[in-house]
Amino acid sequence: AQSVTQPDIHITVSEGASLELRCNYSYGATPYLFWYVQSPGQGLQLLLKYFSGDTLVQGIKGFEAEFKRSQSSFNLRKPSVHWSDAAEYFCAVGAQGAQKLVFGQGTRLTINP
Amino acid sequence: NAGVTQTPKFQVLKTGQSMTLQCAQDMNHEYMSWYRQDPGMGLRLIHYSVGAGITDQGEVPNGYNVSRSTTEDFPLRLLSAAPSQTSVYFCASSSTRWEQYFGPGTRLTVT
Repeated sequence: AQSVTQPDIHITVSEGASLELRCNYSYGATPYLFWYVQSPGQGLQLLLKYFSGDTLVQGIKGFEAEFKRSQSSFNLRKPSVHWSDAAEYFCAVGAQGAQKLVFGQGTRLTINP
Repeated sequence: NAGVTQTPKFQVLKTGQSMTLQCAQDMNHEYMSWYRQDPGMGLRLIHYSVGAGITDQGEVPNGYNVSRSTTEDFPLRLLSAAPSQTSVYFCASSSTRWEQYFGPGTRLTVT
């Protein structure tokens, strides 16, 4: 069965610092990988996705993620965070033949001024 | 293009009451789903539909019913509300099952 682990429940970074949020997945087939962002009181918005091809994918709001098959990881990165990036971030995995998208538990990002 | 809309935004129910959470999308997506979000548990799939007239259970379907009579609408019914159903509920739609667009959510409290 698919599973997703986001090891960090809460991360705090200073504004302007770089960011990396971790995501590890477990699935036998080639996964479809996603990062979503949820601002307080809002629904989830798709940041970026990976289906195949180039393992470094660019998303909205200056985010990128890298698929590393050998490490079963799909970490989210941003070179310089802004106060508006404070939110909760969810990694999700699907796969051809699977029935559903499985979400990680989320990582809450706090930005220090 | 409104995307995915959900009503109501907030609801308080007493134990045993029933209600319907509404979800509509105007993107002509075949795939729609309902999730609940609870602290520390991410999103869990309740029910989903791959097209009008076709629904199936997700991982936490007990206590909920769905139907899909049109492509646009996918209501979620709580049959007899319980405090364990206190949660935030999200509806999502997708053309492919995977790249899902989410509504703004309904915050439900059951007392």
